[in-house]
Amino acid sequence: EAGVAQSPRYKIIEKRQSVAFWCNPISGHATLYWYQQILGQGPKLLIQFQNNGVVDDSQLPKDRFSAERLKGVDSTLKIQPAKLEDSAVYLCASSDGTGRGYTFGSGTRLTVV
Amino acid sequence: AQSVTQLDSQVPVFEEAPVELRCNYSSSVSVYLFWYVQYPNQGLQLLLKYLSGSTLVESINGFEAEFNKSQTSFHLRKPSVHISDTAEYFCAVSDYDYKLSFGAGTTVTVRA
Repeated sequence: EAGVAQSPRYKIIEKRQSVAFWCNPISGHATLYWYQQILGQGPKLLIQFQNNGVVDDSQLPKDRFSAERLKGVDSTLKIQPAKLEDSAVYLCASSDGTGRGYTFGSGTRLTVV
Repeated sequence: AQSVTQLDSQVPVFEEAPVELRCNYSSSVSVYLFWYVQYPNQGLQLLLKYLSGSTLVESINGFEAEFNKSQTSFHLRKPSVHISDTAEYFCAVSDYDYKLSFGAGTTVTVRA
C-alpha cells in the first residue's frame, strides 16, 4: 500500500513569512496526526483529526498555527507568521483509529532564518 | 498523557557488540508500546510494537523488546549490531486516547 505522502520535503523561509505543509494519509485511515520534531527531541503532537473533525489541538499554538482536513482525507498545516523557534521537522502520521499502528510520512524540514 | 523517559541520549557501540536502549513510561495502565527508528534525513519507521500477549516482541532485523508492566519499562535490545544500525531510536507509548507520546530519543552510533 502507498505510504503517507508529505510535501514539500524541505522549506527555508524568513521569520514572519508564512508556510504551508501538505499531507496525504494512507487510504482509509480515519485518524491523522501532525507532529513537530525539534532537533534533538522526540516528536510532539500538534493536532489530531478524526475524519475531518479535530479531536485534540491542545498543543497547537493557535495564534500562528492552523490546520485543516477537508473531506476527511488530505490535510494542510499552516504557520503564519513563522518564528525562528518553529524550525523543526513536521511529521504527518495516519492510523486506522485502533491505536495499534501508525504510519509516518517522511516529514517536512522547515528552517526559519 | 503518558510521559516517556529514554535513559540514554547517546549510545556508542562497536560492531557485533550487544546494545540495550532503556525506556520507561509513566503509567501502569494498559498501554500500547512502540519503538521507532529514524535514519538521517528520513521519517520514523516502526521497529516493533507491543499491543498484548507475549511480553517479548521481536523485529525482523534482530531487535527485541520486553514489556515489563511492574517496572513500566520497554527496553530494546540487539545481541549483535551492524554499522547499518546507526540511527536514532524513539520509544513511544499510547493509551486509550490513541495519541503517541515519544521519548527524547537515543542516538546509537556503531563503530567498526
